Amino acid sequence: GDSVTQMEGPVTLSEEAFLTINCTYTATGYPSLFWYVQYPGEGLQLLLKATKADDKGSNKGFEATYRKETTSFHLEKGSVQVSDSAVYFCAINQAGTALIFGKGTTLSVSS
Amino acid sequence: DAGVTQSPTHLIKTRGQQVTLRCSPKSGHDTVSWYQQALGQGPQFIFQYYEEEERQRGNFPDRFSGHQFPNYSSELNVNALLLGDSALYLCASSLVQSFPGYTFGSGTRLTVV
Repeated sequence: GDSVTQMEGPVTLSEEAFLTINCTYTATGYPSLFWYVQYPGEGLQLLLKATKADDKGSNKGFEATYRKETTSFHLEKGSVQVSDSAVYFCAINQAGTALIFGKGTTLSVSS
Repeated sequence: DAGVTQSPTHLIKTRGQQVTLRCSPKSGHDTVSWYQQALGQGPQFIFQYYEEEERQRGNFPDRFSGHQFPNYSSELNVNALLLGDSALYLCASSLVQSFPGYTFGSGTRLTVV
C-alpha cells in the first residue's frame, strides 16, 4: 500500500539557519502531497500542498516541490525562527482514499 | 466561519469502559474522517463517513465504531477500552467534490488508566 517516509528527528537548529526535512513516498498512482504542522498541544494545520508533478507549494516561507521522478516532497525554509518549533508531518492522498502520514519530524529552533 | 469542532478536549477513562467522541465539521463540508495519533507517532486513519455511511476503514478493530448524522456531524465510539487506546483523536472534515481539502480539528486527548 501507499506509504510515507520522513527523516528521523529531532532536528535542532539555531535561528536563521536553513531547514530541510526530507520526505519520500510510495504510491501506485499520482497522489497529492502535503505538509502539516502540529504545534505543542494542538491539532494539525495544513502548511502547504502540491497536487501534480513539479508543483511548488509555499506558505510562511516554507516551500516544497513535487518531484515525481524521485517520489519526494522535501520541506525547506531559508531562515527558521523560534516560532517554527513544532512537529512537521508529510502526507499523501489519492482521490477516494484517506490521508496517509509519515511519523513526523520534530523541529526545535533556539535563539 | 467555524472550523472543525471536537468535544471533549480531554477525558480520562478506565480500562474496559466505553467512550464517545464528537466532531462537528467545518461549515459546508459533508465528509468526516477520524484519525488516532499515539504519542510520538503520525496520525493513523480509523474510518471515514459520507452520507451517513462508513465509506472507508483503516486497520482498526471492531471496538472502534462511528456514526454520521444528517447534519454531517459525527461520533467515534470505542468499546472495551485498552491502555493502548490512549491517544489524541483527530477529526478531519472535507467536501467530497473538492478534493483534496481536509480541515482538522484540535483533537480529543483520551487517556485510559
